[in-house]
Amino acid sequence: KNEVEQSPQNLTAQEGEFITINCSYSVGISALHWLQQHPGGGIVSLFMLSSGKKKHGRLIATINIQEKHSSLHITASHPRDSAVYICAALLTNSGGSNYKLTFGKGTLLTVNP
Amino acid sequence: GAVVSQHPSRVICKSGTSVKIECRSLDFQATTMFWYRQFPKQSLMLMATSNEGSKATYEQGVEKDKFLINHASLTLSTLTVTSAHPEDSSFYICSTPFFGSGANVLTFGAGSRLTVL
Repeated sequence: KNEVEQSPQNLTAQEGEFITINCSYSVGISALHWLQQHPGGGIVSLFMLSSGKKKHGRLIATINIQEKHSSLHITASHPRDSAVYICAALLTNSGGSNYKLTFGKGTLLTVNP
Repeated sequence: GAVVSQHPSRVICKSGTSVKIECRSLDFQATTMFWYRQFPKQSLMLMATSNEGSKATYEQGVEKDKFLINHASLTLSTLTVTSAHPEDSSFYICSTPFFGSGANVLTFGAGSRLTVL
Protein backbone atom coordinates (compact mmCIF):
# COMPACT_ATOMS: atom_id res chain seq x y z
CA LYS A 1 0.00 0.00 0.00
CA ASN A 2 1.30 3.42 -0.99
CA GLU A 3 2.05 5.68 1.94
CA VAL A 4 0.17 8.49 0.19
CA GLU A 5 -3.18 7.74 -1.41
CA GLN A 6 -5.19 10.12 -3.53
CA SER A 7 -8.78 10.01 -4.65
CA PRO A 8 -10.30 10.13 -7.10
CA GLN A 9 -7.82 9.07 -9.76
CA ASN A 10 -9.84 10.81 -12.44
CA LEU A 11 -12.35 13.60 -12.10
CA THR A 12 -14.43 15.26 -14.76
CA ALA A 13 -16.41 18.39 -13.97
CA GLN A 14 -18.38 21.08 -15.69
CA GLU A 15 -17.12 24.62 -15.63
CA GLY A 16 -18.20 26.36 -12.45
CA GLU A 17 -18.41 23.25 -10.30
CA PHE A 18 -16.80 22.95 -6.89
CA ILE A 19 -13.99 20.39 -6.96
CA THR A 20 -12.56 18.35 -4.09
CA ILE A 21 -9.51 16.12 -4.31
CA ASN A 22 -8.55 14.03 -1.32
CA CYS A 23 -5.24 12.82 0.01
CA SER A 24 -4.67 10.37 2.84
CA TYR A 25 -1.37 9.32 4.26
CA SER A 26 -0.36 6.56 6.61
CA VAL A 27 2.88 7.87 8.05
CA GLY A 28 3.96 10.77 10.22
CA ILE A 29 4.56 13.88 8.19
CA SER A 30 5.98 17.30 8.86
CA ALA A 31 4.30 18.92 5.88
CA LEU A 32 2.18 18.12 2.86
CA HIS A 33 2.44 19.69 -0.57
CA TRP A 34 -0.14 20.07 -3.25
CA LEU A 35 1.30 20.25 -6.74
CA GLN A 36 -0.19 20.94 -10.14
CA GLN A 37 1.19 19.26 -13.24
CA HIS A 38 0.06 20.50 -16.64
CA PRO A 39 -0.10 18.32 -19.76
CA GLY A 40 3.33 19.51 -20.86
CA GLY A 41 4.78 18.11 -17.67
CA GLY A 42 5.77 21.24 -15.79
CA ILE A 43 5.01 21.17 -12.08
CA VAL A 44 3.93 24.07 -9.94
CA SER A 45 3.82 23.99 -6.18
CA LEU A 46 0.40 25.19 -5.04
CA PHE A 47 0.52 24.82 -1.28
CA MET A 48 2.61 23.55 1.55
CA LEU A 49 0.62 22.73 4.67
CA SER A 50 1.52 21.54 8.11
CA SER A 51 -1.76 22.44 9.77
CA GLY A 52 -5.09 24.12 9.21
CA LYS A 53 -6.06 25.70 5.94
CA LYS A 54 -4.59 27.85 3.22
CA LYS A 55 -6.28 29.78 0.44
CA HIS A 56 -4.94 31.20 -2.77
CA GLY A 57 -7.44 32.62 -5.20
CA ARG A 58 -9.95 29.89 -6.03
CA LEU A 59 -7.83 27.20 -4.44
CA ILE A 60 -8.20 26.07 -0.85
CA ALA A 61 -6.14 23.39 0.87
CA THR A 62 -6.91 21.89 4.24
CA ILE A 63 -5.16 19.35 6.40
CA ASN A 64 -6.26 17.35 9.43
CA ILE A 65 -3.18 16.01 11.13
CA GLN A 66 -5.09 13.73 13.52
CA GLU A 67 -6.99 12.09 10.68
CA LYS A 68 -3.97 12.11 8.34
CA HIS A 69 -6.01 13.64 5.60
CA SER A 70 -5.78 16.64 3.33
CA SER A 71 -8.11 18.07 0.73
CA LEU A 72 -7.65 20.42 -2.18
CA HIS A 73 -10.70 22.39 -3.21
CA ILE A 74 -11.22 24.41 -6.35
CA THR A 75 -14.12 26.83 -6.38
CA ALA A 76 -15.78 27.96 -9.61
CA SER A 77 -13.69 25.54 -11.65
CA HIS A 78 -12.53 26.56 -15.10
CA PRO A 79 -11.19 24.58 -18.08
CA ARG A 80 -7.74 26.05 -17.42
CA ASP A 81 -7.77 24.19 -14.08
CA SER A 82 -7.52 20.94 -16.05
CA ALA A 83 -4.32 19.29 -14.91
CA VAL A 84 -2.99 16.52 -12.71
CA TYR A 85 -3.02 17.41 -9.03
CA ILE A 86 -0.52 15.62 -6.86
CA CYS A 87 -0.18 15.52 -3.12
CA ALA A 88 3.25 14.89 -1.71
CA ALA A 89 4.12 14.22 1.88
CA LEU A 90 7.27 15.33 3.58
CA LEU A 91 7.88 12.60 6.08
CA THR A 92 8.79 13.41 9.65
CA ASN A 93 12.52 13.95 10.16
CA SER A 94 12.94 14.79 6.48
CA GLY A 95 13.67 18.46 6.75
CA GLY A 96 16.63 20.47 5.59
CA SER A 97 18.85 18.86 3.02
CA ASN A 98 16.91 15.62 3.33
CA TYR A 99 13.74 17.21 1.97
CA LYS A 100 12.44 14.00 0.41
CA LEU A 101 8.85 13.65 -0.61
CA THR A 102 6.52 10.72 -0.99
CA PHE A 103 4.11 11.33 -3.84
CA GLY A 104 0.55 10.30 -4.44
CA LYS A 105 -0.29 8.98 -7.90
CA GLY A 106 -2.13 12.13 -8.83
CA THR A 107 -5.68 13.06 -9.76
CA LEU A 108 -6.39 13.91 -13.37
CA LEU A 109 -8.91 16.73 -13.40
CA THR A 110 -10.73 17.65 -16.57
CA VAL A 111 -13.01 20.66 -16.50
CA ASN A 112 -15.30 20.93 -19.49
CA PRO A 113 -16.65 24.24 -20.73
CA GLY B 1 10.09 34.01 -6.75
CA ALA B 2 12.52 31.13 -6.92
CA VAL B 3 12.93 29.77 -10.44
CA VAL B 4 14.73 26.69 -11.64
CA SER B 5 15.58 26.63 -15.32
CA GLN B 6 15.76 23.12 -16.78
CA HIS B 7 17.15 22.31 -20.22
CA PRO B 8 16.57 20.76 -22.62
CA SER B 9 12.80 20.45 -22.43
CA ARG B 10 12.77 17.71 -25.04
CA VAL B 11 15.54 15.55 -26.40
CA ILE B 12 15.57 12.68 -28.83
CA CYS B 13 18.70 10.62 -29.07
CA LYS B 14 19.97 7.38 -30.51
CA SER B 15 20.51 4.35 -28.37
CA GLY B 16 24.01 4.29 -26.91
CA THR B 17 24.51 8.03 -26.75
CA SER B 18 24.68 10.16 -23.62
CA VAL B 19 22.35 12.99 -22.77
CA LYS B 20 22.95 15.77 -20.28
CA ILE B 21 20.12 17.58 -18.54
CA GLU B 22 20.80 20.80 -16.67
CA CYS B 23 18.96 22.46 -13.84
CA ARG B 24 20.02 25.95 -12.98
CA SER B 25 18.71 28.00 -10.08
CA LEU B 26 18.11 31.61 -10.98
CA ASP B 27 18.72 34.30 -8.36
CA PHE B 28 19.14 31.86 -5.49
CA GLN B 29 21.48 29.16 -4.34
CA ALA B 30 20.35 25.57 -4.60
CA THR B 31 22.36 23.59 -2.09
CA THR B 32 20.28 20.50 -2.73
CA MET B 33 18.69 19.27 -5.94
CA PHE B 34 16.35 16.32 -6.25
CA TRP B 35 16.15 14.43 -9.52
CA TYR B 36 12.99 12.57 -10.38
CA ARG B 37 11.77 10.50 -13.27
CA GLN B 38 8.19 9.99 -14.23
CA PHE B 39 6.77 7.33 -16.51
CA PRO B 40 3.44 7.95 -18.24
CA LYS B 41 0.53 8.03 -15.82
CA GLN B 42 2.84 7.29 -12.90
CA SER B 43 4.02 9.21 -9.86
CA LEU B 44 7.30 11.00 -9.71
CA MET B 45 10.02 8.69 -8.49
CA LEU B 46 13.03 10.08 -6.73
CA MET B 47 16.22 8.97 -8.42
CA ALA B 48 18.86 10.80 -6.47
CA THR B 49 19.64 13.75 -4.29
CA SER B 50 22.57 15.96 -5.14
CA ASN B 51 24.29 18.29 -2.74
CA GLU B 52 26.69 20.96 -3.87
CA GLY B 53 30.27 19.86 -3.53
CA SER B 54 29.60 16.28 -2.54
CA LYS B 55 28.60 12.99 -4.11
CA ALA B 56 24.98 12.42 -4.94
CA THR B 57 22.87 10.02 -2.93
CA TYR B 58 21.09 7.52 -5.13
CA GLU B 59 17.85 5.75 -4.36
CA GLN B 60 17.76 2.00 -4.27
CA GLY B 61 17.69 0.50 -7.73
CA VAL B 62 19.09 3.56 -9.52
CA GLU B 63 22.43 2.91 -11.21
CA LYS B 64 24.83 5.66 -10.31
CA ASP B 65 27.12 4.86 -13.24
CA LYS B 66 24.24 5.20 -15.65
CA PHE B 67 22.72 8.34 -14.20
CA LEU B 68 25.62 10.64 -13.44
CA ILE B 69 24.79 13.57 -11.27
CA ASN B 70 27.03 16.55 -10.79
CA HIS B 71 26.40 19.50 -8.51
CA ALA B 72 29.57 21.47 -8.92
CA SER B 73 28.16 24.86 -8.03
CA LEU B 74 25.37 26.32 -5.93
CA THR B 75 23.41 27.22 -9.03
CA LEU B 76 23.88 24.24 -11.32
CA SER B 77 23.09 20.56 -11.07
CA THR B 78 23.29 18.19 -14.03
CA LEU B 79 22.00 14.71 -14.76
CA THR B 80 23.72 12.74 -17.50
CA VAL B 81 22.05 9.63 -18.83
CA THR B 82 24.93 7.57 -20.14
CA SER B 83 24.66 5.01 -22.92
CA ALA B 84 20.96 5.67 -23.15
CA HIS B 85 18.58 2.87 -24.08
CA PRO B 86 14.92 3.00 -25.08
CA GLU B 87 13.88 1.97 -21.56
CA ASP B 88 15.47 5.21 -20.30
CA SER B 89 12.85 7.17 -22.21
CA SER B 90 11.01 9.09 -19.57
CA PHE B 91 10.25 12.50 -18.15
CA TYR B 92 13.03 13.78 -15.91
CA ILE B 93 12.45 16.66 -13.55
CA CYS B 94 14.50 18.43 -10.94
CA SER B 95 13.36 20.13 -7.78
CA THR B 96 14.94 22.11 -5.03
CA PRO B 97 13.60 23.46 -1.75
CA PHE B 98 13.81 27.20 -1.42
CA PHE B 99 13.88 28.49 2.12
CA GLY B 100 13.11 32.15 1.91
CA SER B 101 10.80 34.81 3.26
CA GLY B 102 9.89 32.57 6.19
CA ALA B 103 8.34 29.97 3.95
CA ASN B 104 9.53 26.76 2.41
CA VAL B 105 8.80 26.53 -1.29
CA LEU B 106 9.39 23.60 -3.55
CA THR B 107 10.58 24.77 -6.92
CA PHE B 108 10.52 22.46 -9.90
CA GLY B 109 12.21 22.67 -13.22
CA ALA B 110 9.96 22.45 -16.25
CA GLY B 111 11.10 18.90 -16.93
CA SER B 112 12.94 17.17 -19.75
CA ARG B 113 11.25 14.59 -21.92
CA LEU B 114 13.82 12.09 -23.15
CA THR B 115 13.09 9.78 -26.05
CA VAL B 116 15.71 7.18 -26.88
CA LEU B 117 15.34 5.61 -30.30
